[in-house]
Amino acid sequence: DADVTQTPRNRITKTGKRIMLECSQTKGHDRMYWYRQDPGLGLQLIYYSFDVKDINKGEISDGYSVSRQAQAKFSLSLESAIPNQTALYFCATSDLFSRQGSTFGSGTRLTVV
Amino acid sequence: GENVEQHPSTLSVQEGDSAVIKCTYSDSASNYFPWYKQELGKRPQLIIDIRSNVGEKKDQRIAVTLNKTAKHFSLHITETQPEDSAVYFCAASGNRGSTLGRLYFGRGTQLTVWP
Repeated sequence: DADVTQTPRNRITKTGKRIMLECSQTKGHDRMYWYRQDPGLGLQLIYYSFDVKDINKGEISDGYSVSRQAQAKFSLSLESAIPNQTALYFCATSDLFSRQGSTFGSGTRLTVV
Repeated sequence: GENVEQHPSTLSVQEGDSAVIKCTYSDSASNYFPWYKQELGKRPQLIIDIRSNVGEKKDQRIAVTLNKTAKHFSLHITETQPEDSAVYFCAASGNRGSTLGRLYFGRGTQLTVWP
C-alpha cells in the first residue's frame, strides 16, 4: 500500500545531528500526523496538521519540529537528535472528521547513538 | 483533552477461543472509535470502527460494542486464529475545536493466540 510513503525506512544517526523524516501521501487527505511508538507506550502524537497553514503540537512535541510543505507532504525534524528519541516513527493521514480512520505509513525506525 | 484507557495490556488465548479487549474514554463529546491491528514490524491498520450513533458493529469474526453512557467500548474477536496475534489499539476521535478529528490512542493490547 503506497498511499502514505515514509522515507527513510531506517536511519541510524549520531547524537547532536539534525535529521529529517519525510512523509508524502496520495490519498488526497487534508490531515496529516506524526506519531512516535515506543514499546508499551502505544502511539504518541508529536505534531499534526489539518491543512497547509495549520500546525498543532501533540502530546510530545519537545525536541521536534514539522513542516507542511504541501497538502501531500509533511516532514518531521529532530534539530539535535538525542538517544531517547530512538523509536519507531509513523506518519498518518485522515480526511476531515476522520470518517474512515487514519491511514498509516510504513514507519521509520530511527536509532540515535 | 481526551484520555483513552485500554485493558488488558497482554492477552493470551487458545486458538478457537474468544478474545475481548476493553477501552474507556473520558470525553463524552467523542464520537468515532476505530480499532487498529499492528502485526510485528508493520504499520497499524484499521480493522473496524464504530460511531456514537451505533451500539454494535460486526464484520465476520470481529465486533465492536459501544456504551456511550459508560464511555466504554470493546473489541470482540471470536474463533481466534494464530494470525490474529498482533497488537491491537483502540482510539477515540476528538470532537471539540482544534482536537476535532484527532485520534487519541490507548496503549495497546498484545494478543497472542496459541495453536
